Amino acid sequence: EVQLVESGGGLIQPGGSLRLSCAASGFTVSSNYMSWVRQAPGKGLEWVSIIHSGGSTYYADSVKGRFTISRDHSKNTLYLQMNSLRTEDTAVYYCARGGVDAALAFAFDYWGQGTLVTVSS
Amino acid sequence: DIVMTQSPDSLAVSLGERATINCKSSQTVLYTSNNNNYLAWYQQKPGQPPKLLIYWASTRESGVPDRFSGSGSGTDFTLTISSLQAEDVAVYYCQQYYITPPTFGQGTKVEIK
Repeated sequence: EVQLVESGGGLIQPGGSLRLSCAASGFTVSSNYMSWVRQAPGKGLEWVSIIHSGGSTYYADSVKGRFTISRDHSKNTLYLQMNSLRTEDTAVYYCARGGVDAALAFAFDYWGQGTLVTVSS
Repeated sequence: DIVMTQSPDSLAVSLGERATINCKSSQTVLYTSNNNNYLAWYQQKPGQPPKLLIYWASTRESGVPDRFSGSGSGTDFTLTISSLQAEDVAVYYCQQYYITPPTFGQGTKVEIK
């Protein structure tokens, strides 16, 4: 059974850093396209970042230069390193699995339960 | 970026009746080389992550009840719930995955009348 479990969220001051983790089971993280998607409180969905099965990474303009996506094959875990956090980064962060095929890289068939990041002084 | 616009923002439908949600993209999401529309629909219930319902605009994800159907092509798409059940109360999002960044509609809240 496919499962994604996020951790690492919490309350952080503006300008601070946080690393989110997404532990996967039931499949291999490095075989799929994996993304982070966030949802501000009471708002819609915003894609944040993707790591391709080949290792290439892409970011939303809103986080480019501040966030870094990575994965650990041995731990079957996806990460999101978030630096220079801003109040507008406050959201529930979901890891989401895309397809194995590039055409479905952004069609997210499994999602974690999410981890809340609150950026506030 | 491709802007996705859903209508209505909310709707209330009686149990057993049809619910229809529209989604319009600011540019085509139809890839003519393979004739696929890069359009997905998600359902999000309160306190839960989104759930993939439909991809390629009309292909139902495994396990999704057949009362959910998707249609449309190019820039105009529709999600139809043929006979609304109580468990269908949720917010529904369309999403294009034609170009990066993938973008979502603002969501449509479906309630029971």
